[in-house]
Amino acid sequence: GQQVMQIPQYQHVQEGEDFTTYCNSSTTLSNIQWYKQRPGGHPVFLIQLVKSGEVKKQKRLTFQFGEAKKNSSLHITATQTTDVGTYFCAGPNAGGTSYGKLTFGQGTILTVHP
Amino acid sequence: EAGVAQSPRYKIIEKRQSVAFWCNPISGHATLYWYQQILGQGPKLLIQFQNNGVVDDSQLPKDRFSAERLKGVDSTLKIQPAKLEDSAVYLCASRFPGLAGYEQFFGPGTRLTVL
Repeated sequence: GQQVMQIPQYQHVQEGEDFTTYCNSSTTLSNIQWYKQRPGGHPVFLIQLVKSGEVKKQKRLTFQFGEAKKNSSLHITATQTTDVGTYFCAGPNAGGTSYGKLTFGQGTILTVHP
Repeated sequence: EAGVAQSPRYKIIEKRQSVAFWCNPISGHATLYWYQQILGQGPKLLIQFQNNGVVDDSQLPKDRFSAERLKGVDSTLKIQPAKLEDSAVYLCASRFPGLAGYEQFFGPGTRLTVL
């Protein structure tokens, strides 16, 4: 079945440093979504990328979708303590009856030291 | 707008006991998901409903887990009997029907501890 892998599993940074997490899918994706889960919280949708090579920015966050639509990245510039949490990428299953079914990566846990 | 509601928030049971979780999705969201999230892992889909019909339950351990969504709104997930490895957070999510890829809205989850 479809697999979605993320690296690194953990990332510890000093406040103000940059952070990047990478996501790779075993299959070509029609789109990819990113979610953030704060400690003790639930996943919250950040963004969806659809087009090959797409780049989207949300303030200090930059999201990229690979040309082959099998990989994606999330880059945070100048991290802040509010960025702490686990970042998940998720890709939809292609076709079939599982319309809207997402396969989540295992996530990257970001710790920011003040 | 109100978010996805779940109850209870926490549950501690002994192995072989039964437990049930409840979810009320966002109004108008026809698609409802139950996920299991083990500590340190991403959410794993257990079952997906479209209105009151099951779309995908391929990863639901059907010998002990069951779920229903009567009337296409609220949903319950049951475990009977529970095992130690069922300790996890059970997340409910809902989604507005439409184009593939629309975001999923998650509830706060139920943290289950099986002793």
